[in-house]
Amino acid sequence: DAMVIQNPRYQVTQFGKPVTLSCSQTLNHNVMYWYQQKSSQAPKLLFHYYDKDFNNEADTPDNFQSRRPNTSFCFLDIRSPGLGDAAMYLCATSRDLTSGTYSYEQYFGPGTRLTVT
Amino acid sequence: ILNVEQSPQSLHVQEGDSTNFTCSFPSSNFYALHWYRWETAKSPEALFVMTLNGDEKKKGRISATLNTKEGYSYLYIKGSQPEDSATYLCAYMNYGGSQGNLIFGKGTKLSVKP
Repeated sequence: DAMVIQNPRYQVTQFGKPVTLSCSQTLNHNVMYWYQQKSSQAPKLLFHYYDKDFNNEADTPDNFQSRRPNTSFCFLDIRSPGLGDAAMYLCATSRDLTSGTYSYEQYFGPGTRLTVT
Repeated sequence: ILNVEQSPQSLHVQEGDSTNFTCSFPSSNFYALHWYRWETAKSPEALFVMTLNGDEKKKGRISATLNTKEGYSYLYIKGSQPEDSATYLCAYMNYGGSQGNLIFGKGTKLSVKP
């Protein structure tokens, strides 16, 4: 089945040690998203790619970077993780952003739970 | 700051009960409202995408309504089953924000007891 895959499912890193989370998709979707969900909070969009166009949300910390080397893969790099960056990180894709009055659903991976020690 | 509120935060029902929960969102500049179901240890999956005021969508025992003028959506589950146990997330998109930016609520966690 076509899907969105995230690796690893659980990641433990040390305070200040760079970490990379990966996401791949077999849906051939133009758009890929990274969300952060902290405990008991709503998922929050960090950034998204429309093809190779990178769109950073205004309040996403500089500590978070992303790469999309091709349509299928997208990476989230956390340069110097702090304790406050412990969260579930969700990757999602969609076919397009919007078309006329239609909004396309997003397809999510199972998430990577990041622990910072 | 655009807020999406979901209530209740959690809900415990018996198998066979019907239930409903609410999503409230800003009524100005509305573009779309999404509902997702997120089962533990699985990926969130889309239930509905709604764009028109008065829209009503149905998928099996689950249905949703949309009122964009007053800024709310209801999700209904008829005859809840244990497999309906999940967190139900709604997400709002407006014209003013960056395209594709879904603003999520915190979700309603539903537990259905056999």
